[in-house]
Amino acid sequence: GAVVSQHPSWVICKSGTSVKIECRSLDFQATTMFWYRQFPKQSLMLMATSNEGSKATYEQGVEKDKFLINHASLTLSTLTVTSAHPEDSSFYICSARGGGALNSPLHFGNGTRLTVT
Amino acid sequence: LAKTTQPISMDSYEGQEVNITCSHNNIATNDYITWYQQFPSQGPRFIIQGYKTKVTNEVASLFIPADRKSSTLSLPRVSLSDTAVYYCLVGDANTGFQKLVFGTGTRLLVSP
Repeated sequence: GAVVSQHPSWVICKSGTSVKIECRSLDFQATTMFWYRQFPKQSLMLMATSNEGSKATYEQGVEKDKFLINHASLTLSTLTVTSAHPEDSSFYICSARGGGALNSPLHFGNGTRLTVT
Repeated sequence: LAKTTQPISMDSYEGQEVNITCSHNNIATNDYITWYQQFPSQGPRFIIQGYKTKVTNEVASLFIPADRKSSTLSLPRVSLSDTAVYYCLVGDANTGFQKLVFGTGTRLLVSP
């Protein structure tokens, strides 16, 4: 089945630094990928939609200059958390549609645990 | 976007059948119903998807009544490893399931 891979699975960084998270579709092409954030004991919250070859669209309340998204190829989208602060510590998850039929379901990566110290 | 409502939590025992019902009263014609399972510190895992009537795969069944305003995920003979959060989502296939919105999910606890 469709596989979405995220890297790294966890990262610890110091406040003020930037962190890049990669999301790859391993066996299919994804013109659109989605980025979510999940805080402990809470549901996933959609942050932005990543579109190959064009600008990402962000959900209300998500700072586009804070969370930079690049979708330079059909198999890779990256999320960069710029000038990270402790409140950015969270679980970040990407997803992509599995390809093929229009109703192919979304498949999710295994997430990236970001801890900002 | 169709909103979903599920029970916050459910308890069961090993070997029992578990049915989790999801309400989606404003589901649209092009919407599909998809269920995901999530373990702690992992991304959601696809379980099953359907449009109407009944769908069955190797791990679960999905029952959808004619009006499609609700759906029921059925897990036969659960085991301890089925303890997880289960999410019901409704999305428009014509848009490639753009902007899927996650509800609270149902936290299933399976005990020995």
